[in-house]
Amino acid sequence: DSGVTQTPKHLITATGQRVTLRCSPRSGDLSVYWYQQSLDQGLQFLIQYYNGEERAKGNILERFSAQQFPDLHSELNLSSLELGDSALYFCASSVRGSGGLYEQYFGPGTRLTVT
Amino acid sequence: GIQVEQSPPDLILQEGANSTLRCNFSDSVNNLQWFHQNPWGQLINLFYIPSGTKQNGRLSATTVATERYSLLYISSSQTTDSGVYFCAGQPQNTGTASKLTFGTGTRLQVTL
Repeated sequence: DSGVTQTPKHLITATGQRVTLRCSPRSGDLSVYWYQQSLDQGLQFLIQYYNGEERAKGNILERFSAQQFPDLHSELNLSSLELGDSALYFCASSVRGSGGLYEQYFGPGTRLTVT
Repeated sequence: GIQVEQSPPDLILQEGANSTLRCNFSDSVNNLQWFHQNPWGQLINLFYIPSGTKQNGRLSATTVATERYSLLYISSSQTTDSGVYFCAGQPQNTGTASKLTFGTGTRLQVTL
């Protein structure tokens, strides 16, 4: 158990709908990251938040948005869903490693199926 | 962005065999990590290894940062080692933004 929790574990929804994925980081971790794993694109970084502020953005679609709340949990909102958004969505949080670098630990993921 | 190449893409081993997985980076990276994705989809941390060698049980890893590659050794493989192994790194000079770029993985199947 990495200490990162994600809900729900599975989500099935229809095209055009909107869903919210939730993540709670490890106790004490200030950074939260979202990644998408799909069959055709592999594991891709979406976005990072640090202590409530957006820190880095990757290949995140405009239909997707995220935020980190004062209690440090984060939500990833996916709207106007398309079939191609079906994927495993991971949240990670970081632990400071040696030399000031950051080791990331991943939650169990949310498997999203868009029908 | 950086490119991460993993080899081999697929590997079938008999239980008890040893193997070496390789990860090459197109540019220098920080935060190099190895993960195992089990058949249930969970990503499990194996090593955080920006440089040097580490061992954990039957697994060990070596990173040669100056040559931009890392190796994961699996000894006496077991069926529970099956799954996909990923390496990932953070491009240097990105400050505290710790985006990881993942390789495409090595799919390992250990048979009896």
